[in-house]
Amino acid sequence: AQSVSQHNHHVILSEAASLELGCNYSYGGTVNLFWYVQYPGQHLQLLLKYFSGDPLVKGIKGFEAEFIKSKFSFNLRKPSVQWSDTAEYFCAVNAGTNAGKSTFGDGTTLTVKP
Amino acid sequence: GAVVSQHPSRVICKSGTSVKIECRSLDFQATTMFWYRQFPKQSLMLMATSNEGSKATYEQGVEKDKFLINHASLTLSTLTVTSAHPEDSSFYICSARDFADHLNTGELFFGEGSRLTVL
Repeated sequence: AQSVSQHNHHVILSEAASLELGCNYSYGGTVNLFWYVQYPGQHLQLLLKYFSGDPLVKGIKGFEAEFIKSKFSFNLRKPSVQWSDTAEYFCAVNAGTNAGKSTFGDGTTLTVKP
Repeated sequence: GAVVSQHPSRVICKSGTSVKIECRSLDFQATTMFWYRQFPKQSLMLMATSNEGSKATYEQGVEKDKFLINHASLTLSTLTVTSAHPEDSSFYICSARDFADHLNTGELFFGEGSRLTVL
């Protein structure tokens, strides 16, 4: 069975600070990896995803994530956060089978102070 | 992008009644939809996988007779909470996979969620 661990439950940053949210997964096979974001009062939406190719993937709003296979990690980064990045961030792993069942981490609440 | 609509967004019902929540993919076909519960400040708990034209697959510990799932078409899945009790009060979220996900990435598109309160 696959599992996802997000190390930070709540992160508080000031605007312009750099962000890195940790995500580790456990699964021995080929994986697809995702970061989803849930802004206050809105539905979950895709931030970025990795399924093949360049392990450094870029998503919307200046976010990027790096897949390090040897470390089973897919950390999310942003060089300079904005107040509007305040949201809940979920890392997810999908084993890439036709069932497409994704496993989610517990989520990280990011609060950016103006 | 692909849009998933969930209805109703909020519902309050009396204990013992049944409540139906709809999940529709508006601009794509979804052979697979997923239903989750989300508790405050916690992650998404997968309840079941809904496949068009076949029976849903429930996760361990989820009562299939309590949470009836029907996926009658490529754009609609419904979750019916039967004989609801206060402990069923929660935020229910659906997601869908695009039938055209030929790369098999498993990307999900989420509904807005439905807040159920059972009195």
